Amino acid sequence: DAKTTQPNSMESNEEEPVHLPCNHSTISGTDYIHWYRQLPSQGPEYVIHGLTSNVNNRMASLAIAEDRKSSTLILHRATLRDAAVYYCILRDVAGYALNFGKGTSLLVTP
Amino acid sequence: EAGVTQFPSHSVIEKGQTVTLRCDPISGHDNLYWYRRVMGKEIKFLLHFVKESKQDESGMPNNRFLAERTGGTYSTLKVQPAELEDSGVYFCASSQPVVAGTKNIQYFGAGTRLSVL
Repeated sequence: DAKTTQPNSMESNEEEPVHLPCNHSTISGTDYIHWYRQLPSQGPEYVIHGLTSNVNNRMASLAIAEDRKSSTLILHRATLRDAAVYYCILRDVAGYALNFGKGTSLLVTP
Repeated sequence: EAGVTQFPSHSVIEKGQTVTLRCDPISGHDNLYWYRRVMGKEIKFLLHFVKESKQDESGMPNNRFLAERTGGTYSTLKVQPAELEDSGVYFCASSQPVVAGTKNIQYFGAGTRLSVL
């Protein structure tokens, strides 16, 4: 699977929008972009995924660049509960294993 | 619906002993995965079951690790003998049978923290 690059950490104020970037310049045509997060003392949790088009669900939005070399996870209103490590993961359509990198540690302050 | 359950939540053993970790996937999930995070490192894939068959065990570190999934339900991961470098958190995940168009979302358990002294 191709690699992803994320900032080590980001900080946000509560109730503000948060944009978490991810670069994946070597993405292949069959790679899906997945986002998972890990809250403290819990296992990873699925957030969202997409292939080419922007995606929205109840947790977040995923904006994918036209050339697919980067994407942004958008939390529309950060809450204290959103403080977690966020992982951007590329996975081939035929693949199963998730290749977690270092992720971005998001700090949300009141 | 019950989530992925792992037992025990924490295990402390001495070097050279044997430990068995258990994972109960979500009912109906054919796919079961083991991952681990050792101290200071990233979460790494260990292996993948489809029902009772090992589909991919490329991430298993060495032959001290044995994973089983008899009957295609729960799975166990045995470490024998345990070494100091095996300390870390072991996660189990499960996902639905893959059908064209499904998301294949993996649902993770809370993990088992293994401490080898």
